[in-house]
Amino acid sequence: AQRVTQPEKLLSVFKGAPVELKCNYSYSGSPELFWYVQYSRQRLQLLLRHISRESIKGFTADLNKGETSFHLKKPFAQEEDSAMYYCALLNPGAQKLVFGQGTRLTINP
Amino acid sequence: DTAVSQTPKYLVTQMGNDKSIKCEQNLGHDTMYWYKQDSKKFLKIMFSYNNKELIINETVPNRFSPKSPDKAHLNLHINSLELGDSAVYFCASSLRHSNYGYTFGSGTRLTVV
Repeated sequence: AQRVTQPEKLLSVFKGAPVELKCNYSYSGSPELFWYVQYSRQRLQLLLRHISRESIKGFTADLNKGETSFHLKKPFAQEEDSAMYYCALLNPGAQKLVFGQGTRLTINP
Repeated sequence: DTAVSQTPKYLVTQMGNDKSIKCEQNLGHDTMYWYKQDSKKFLKIMFSYNNKELIINETVPNRFSPKSPDKAHLNLHINSLELGDSAVYFCASSLRHSNYGYTFGSGTRLTVV
C-alpha cells in the first residue's frame, strides 16, 4: 500500500532563513511525487512534480529513492511562503493521489 | 477561464437534511475526484470517476452518492447530513495515465448544525 508521511505538522522559520519540509513515502512501484500548496482558505495548487525537476517560487525537491524521501527546500524563506504544504504520491495503477498529513509553514518577519 | 469550479462555496445546513455539491471542469480531463479535508486539514480521497464510470470508492458511508452525468461533471449528493460531515470538500480532475497531477477546485465548506 502507498503511504506518505510528513513528520512535521507545524514548521516556523524566520524570513530569509532556509526551509526544509520533510516528506517520506512507502510504495512498491516507481513513485510519482508532487508537492501541493494551499494558501489560507484557497484551493490546492500544484507546486512541483519530481518528474519535471523544476524550481517554482524558489522551491526545489529531489527524489531520494534510497531514503524514500522527497523533501521540499528553499534557501531563503519569504513571508508569502506561509501556507499549508502537502506532499502527495500518485499510484498510476489505482489512479489515486494520496496525500501526506500536511505541514503548516509559518514565516516570521 | 479553464478551471475546476465547484458550487456552492459555502453550505450551512441542519442535521438530517439532504444537500448536493456540484463540480464542473473545462480542462478536457477524463477523470474527476472528490476529496474531503477534515478539521485537521487531512485530505482523503472519497470517489473518482473516469468517463462517467466509478473507479474509486473509498470507505465512505452510503449517504454519500456521487453522480457523473458526463466526463466534465461530477456531483456529490449527501443524504441525512450528520455533524461529522462538516468539512471542506474538494473536487479535482486529471487526465488518466497522465503524471501531471490533479487540478483542484476551490472547495465547498460544509457546516452541519
